[in-house]
Amino acid sequence: NAGVTQTPKFQVLKTGQSMTLQCAQDMNHNSMYWYRQDPGMGLRLIYYSASEGTTDKGEVPNGYNVSRLNKREFSLRLESAAPSQTSVYFCASSSLGGGKGYEQYFGPGTRLTVT
Amino acid sequence: GENVEQHPSTPSVQEGDSAVIKCTYSDSASNYFPWYKQELGKRPQLIIDIRSNVGEKKDQRIAVTLNKTAKHFSLHITETQPEDSAVYFCAASLVSGGYNKLIFGAGTRLAVHP
Repeated sequence: NAGVTQTPKFQVLKTGQSMTLQCAQDMNHNSMYWYRQDPGMGLRLIYYSASEGTTDKGEVPNGYNVSRLNKREFSLRLESAAPSQTSVYFCASSSLGGGKGYEQYFGPGTRLTVT
Repeated sequence: GENVEQHPSTPSVQEGDSAVIKCTYSDSASNYFPWYKQELGKRPQLIIDIRSNVGEKKDQRIAVTLNKTAKHFSLHITETQPEDSAVYFCAASLVSGGYNKLIFGAGTRLAVHP
């Protein structure tokens, strides 16, 4: 089991460029999440997907879009990158049904710099 | 919406001492409270969690206590070791409808000195 994987690991963008961050999980989890982590601010939820075919906004959705491509994959898109989006992005997944715990499993992160 | 405050921000302890990190939350409906540990450059990893129907939970040197009335919960680490040095995050959520929207505290950078 690879768990939660993310690509790319690092990315540098110029202001106004677009890109998609990819996330995949092989744990058969229903729900998936995108967070950003900025120094001194903990992790903040951008978007989440409770199940395949559904997505919803979190705390800080502005400037981002998401796609739940299938049960395994959940992508995050920046249409027009801004310096304020410089951050580390984490994808996570969890399964809340069937008597399992509520733990969210995190991917290794993508470090994004927008100049 | 939910708001989580965490303190202290940068405690320092001697190896073998105990460390306590405290969090308060604002939404009385929250029912799930995890603690994550993050080492430098790594992903957050769950170390312990507690649900609202339980007041305390222990796992070896780690324990979490929850006071629902006061809306606060704490992480206790006993017999600290240098490898406990990391950033710790608390979080709170209302688990509902098949999803778990965690709201995180700002983090505590714990330093354990040999």
